[in-house]
Amino acid sequence: LAKTTQPISMDSYEGQEVNITCSHNNIATNDYITWYQQFPSQGPRFIIQGYKTKVTNEVASLFIPADRKSSTLSLPRVSLSDTAVYYCLVGASYQTGANNLFFGTGTRLTVIP
Amino acid sequence: DGGITQSPKYLFRKEGQNVTLSCEQNLNHDAMYWYRQDPGQGLRLIYYSQIVNDFQKGDIAEGYSVSREKKESFPLTVTSAQKNPTAFYLCASSLAQAKNIQYFGAGTRLSVL
Repeated sequence: LAKTTQPISMDSYEGQEVNITCSHNNIATNDYITWYQQFPSQGPRFIIQGYKTKVTNEVASLFIPADRKSSTLSLPRVSLSDTAVYYCLVGASYQTGANNLFFGTGTRLTVIP
Repeated sequence: DGGITQSPKYLFRKEGQNVTLSCEQNLNHDAMYWYRQDPGQGLRLIYYSQIVNDFQKGDIAEGYSVSREKKESFPLTVTSAQKNPTAFYLCASSLAQAKNIQYFGAGTRLSVL
């Protein structure tokens, strides 16, 4: 089970771009990289998923280098409502048997006015 | 309106009592999950079900039980054997072939009286 390492917390001012990096040195060939966002007293919400290079959607971008041992979630022009905990997970979508996702403590992002 | 619904939002347990947390989804997902989250911590997997009438223990199954009699429903019982049940409980579901993208309910906060 591939574990991940993320910064415990980050602060950013409103309107800035925020980059949160995740290390996953023992990522397996079949593993995807998935990011979730969690607000206080709510369930996590899926943000973005990728396998390699770059993925972009209406919420964020995900950058994955060629060796796939790390990934960076990029949030453009953050607002106060982006204050949340962000989790990076790696695992194979098609893996049979028990769930293979590991939610660590995540990165607590605080957006400052 | 598709989604995953947990009830109740808040629950109180007396000493020696069993309590059941409800989780219902109308997303037509085969896989369902129960997680426990303690303050400032990540999510830990309690139980997982990939299909009706089948479920598997997660990392912290002791003191908990589940059933999966219907595709839409995956209730969790916190038994009296769980000595430290105070936590935030999250239910999730996913397609069996896309376990990395899970949809979460709003959670149930359980406290001990």
